[in-house]
Amino acid sequence: AQRVTQPEKLLSVFKGAPVELKCNYSYSGSPELFWYVQYSRQRLQLLLRHISRESIKGFTADLNKGETSFHLKKPFAQEEDSAMYYCALPPNGAGSYQLTFGKGTKLSVIP
Amino acid sequence: SAVISQKPSRDICQRGTSLTIQCQVDSQVTMMFWYRQQPGQSLTLIATANQGSEATYESGFVIDKFPISRPNLTFSTLTVSNMSPEDSSIYLCSVERTAYGYTFGSGTRLTVV
Repeated sequence: AQRVTQPEKLLSVFKGAPVELKCNYSYSGSPELFWYVQYSRQRLQLLLRHISRESIKGFTADLNKGETSFHLKKPFAQEEDSAMYYCALPPNGAGSYQLTFGKGTKLSVIP
Repeated sequence: SAVISQKPSRDICQRGTSLTIQCQVDSQVTMMFWYRQQPGQSLTLIATANQGSEATYESGFVIDKFPISRPNLTFSTLTVSNMSPEDSSIYLCSVERTAYGYTFGSGTRLTVV
């Protein structure tokens, strides 16, 4: 069964420090991974997906198939980055259409 | 991407009562999904709702507790029945994937007292 693991429940960093939010996955086949972000009292929204290889709000994530990881990184954290971050896998297999989410990491950026 | 309007945004309900949550999509979608996000937890899929057929429930969720309607391709409701404090959660709807990924409603924050 596919699985997404986010080992850190809470990550606190100082403003201007680098950030790395970890995500490891278990998936049969070639995965496509997503990072979703949920700011306080706002809806869950897509941050980035690995196939587009884009940088959103300074965040990037590289798929490492050897390590089965898709860590989210930003070189200099900003206070507005404080939010919940979820790594997610798309459906895999017939009859499956929904995302599989990790448990999420709460990022707190300290001024 | 699809725009989802979800309401109510929050409610405080008495135990033993029921609450119906609505999701309206601005385009026709075949599949809609209902998730629960308990405090401090990740999102858990409750059920998948296809228009014209019975909803498919995930393990641990039953129709009597969470009846779902899907009358057309742009609308769905989730009812939380006979509520208890353990049902206090955020409930979200989502739609099938588009070119922009998966879109979510703004969520309904339910508190059962």
